Amino acid sequence: EIVLTQSPATLSLSPGERATLSCRASQSVTTFLAWYQQKPGQAPRLLISDASNRTTGIPARFSGSGSGTDFTLTISSLEPEDFAVYYCQHRTNWPITFGQGTRLEIK
Amino acid sequence: QVQLQESGPGLVKPSGTLSLTCAVSGGSISTSNWWSWVRQTPGKGLEWIGEIYHSGNTNYNPSLKSRVTVSVDKSKNQFSLRLSSVTAADTAVYYCTRDGLGFNKDRGVYYNGMDVWGQGTTVTVSS
Repeated sequence: EIVLTQSPATLSLSPGERATLSCRASQSVTTFLAWYQQKPGQAPRLLISDASNRTTGIPARFSGSGSGTDFTLTISSLEPEDFAVYYCQHRTNWPITFGQGTRLEIK
Repeated sequence: QVQLQESGPGLVKPSGTLSLTCAVSGGSISTSNWWSWVRQTPGKGLEWIGEIYHSGNTNYNPSLKSRVTVSVDKSKNQFSLRLSSVTAADTAVYYCTRDGLGFNKDRGVYYNGMDVWGQGTTVTVSS
């Protein structure tokens, strides 16, 4: 099973700041990695697929990078609605697994 | 625009069987996608349960494989989850999702992500 480790567990920033979230895989997932945003009481929402492909309708301030075992989700300038929990997830082999999440909170 | 809607009992007795259905609307289930079940608990976060292709091919999480069955009903454009011998540890919010891979000549095979999610349904295991 591929383990995805996200860091930090919690990130405290202010609106307008840049957020950098990390996801590290225990073995290569090539680029078969996605990022999701989840707000309380809602289902996760796909932000980034295939490591760096931004989903239609997702603001350009969200970007993904990486391949192999190290991935980054960057939010260039935080808006109030961006404070949420973010998950990475791979689809390289079975079982599909998710990271434990990074909580992005307002400082 | 494809939408997914979970349905099923919100309360299941211990040792019983959890049964959920995911209705697919706005598109056909017979497309090049995998249809998945994911659950979320406060303790374990997001956990992939299993998936099915419209052909009936399935993949399951080994941690649940002995208790899980995912099936598809193309005539009703829906897919279903059965989880047997449930315990309190199976109490969770259950989501159905659309997942899959794409291909083009420039990129080769690429990952589309779980791009459609149901709203989720809470299932509690309790007597």
